[in-house]
Formats: sequence, structure tokens, C-alpha cells
Amino acid sequence: QSALTQPASVSGSPGQSITISCTGTSSDVGGYNLVSWYQQHPGKAPKLMLYEGTKQPSGVSNRFSGSKSGNTASLTISGLQAEDEADYYCCSHAGSSIYVFGTGTKVTVV
Amino acid sequence: EVQLVESGGGLVKPGGSLRLSCAASGFAFRNYGMNWVRQAPGKGLEWLSSISGSTSYFYYADSVKGRFTISRDNAKNSLYLQMNSLRAEDTAVYYCARGQSGSFDPWGQGTLVTVSS
Repeated sequence: QSALTQPASVSGSPGQSITISCTGTSSDVGGYNLVSWYQQHPGKAPKLMLYEGTKQPSGVSNRFSGSKSGNTASLTISGLQAEDEADYYCCSHAGSSIYVFGTGTKVTVV
Repeated sequence: EVQLVESGGGLVKPGGSLRLSCAASGFAFRNYGMNWVRQAPGKGLEWLSSISGSTSYFYYADSVKGRFTISRDNAKNSLYLQMNSLRAEDTAVYYCARGQSGSFDPWGQGTLVTVSS
């Protein structure tokens, strides 16, 4: 149950698009269409942003989109806004109802 | 409104025990699997355990297997985590989260557990 690998930090200017990668193995990310993404502001609980790799829960901006290629999933934030500055975590089902989170990525809006 | 509220955190000595609770409201609790996730200070998220809606199935991360026990009382709309043999590395904010489509939504506000002598 090793953590999925994410870049420690990603930055962008307002209005730009950024992409966060999430690399696992064929036993987790590559083996299931069950990658989810979470946004966490300091001192707050995580918030679901995408589920099943590409689906947005009700109320989440369509500026957030997801994709997957092989063992790597990605979260793209388009039209970057100041409020998007937060930590982002991916998570994948890893078989037998076990889940594994990514290492987390700090997004900075410069 | 769907809401999860954790309680039961606090300061405990190494080797001690603690029971966390999570009160659910605003949805048909028995129809959903539930989960515990923790976050050590300044660190990332770690999935710990999940339990099915019927309480028939439960799963644990290797880091807590044999020490932590997940349970639920559907009549009380409550989720629990019994934590035994606590270690300093168990110090974290513990969140409960509803499971749905392989994801966790929503999350409670978290409860802090500090393991220290």
C-alpha cells in the first residue's frame, strides 16, 4: 500500500491551466476506473472534486477535469483562480476495498 | 443537509486506547459504506478503514490492522473507530467520510488524536 506519487507543488498565474499528475501502479490507478481527487484548504476537511476519474460532483466547477493514461491519472484546473490555491490529493481503489491516497500537491496561484 | 460530526479525540498515552465516534445526519446512513481517514500534522491523507452499510464487510490498512476496529450502529446513525495500542505515529486528525462510487464524500470536520506521554 504505497502512496501514489504526486508532484509536491505546482504553480500558475490566474487564468492559466495547470495539471497535477498522480502515478500509481497497475494494482491501483491502472487497474480501476476509481480515481478520485480532493481539494483541501488549510485547516479544513478535504472536499471531493472528481470521482471515477472524470466525474464532477454536483456543485464543483467544470474548470476541474480529469483523465487517465495507464498508471497515471491527472487533474487539470483551467482558468486558475485565487480560490484554487490549496492542497490536492488523488486517491485510488487498490483492490479488496482498500484505498490509497497520493502524496499531495500544493497549488500556488502566483 | 448531509453532515458528519466526529468526536472522541484527545490526548492519550502510548499504549493507550481511544474510541472515536462519527454522527451522521441528512442521509440514509444504512445504505452507505463509511470510512475513516487520518492526516498527521503537516502530512498527507491516509485511508485507514471502511465498513459496508450492512456491517458485514470491513477492511483495514496494514498500518492499523490488528490495532484498530471499525464498527457502526445503523439504529443510531453512528460510525465508530476503536483504537488500541496507540503509538506516537498515530497522532493525527481523524476524519470520517461517506463512501460512494469509490470516493469519499462528504467528510466530517475531523477530531484530533494526540498520542504522547
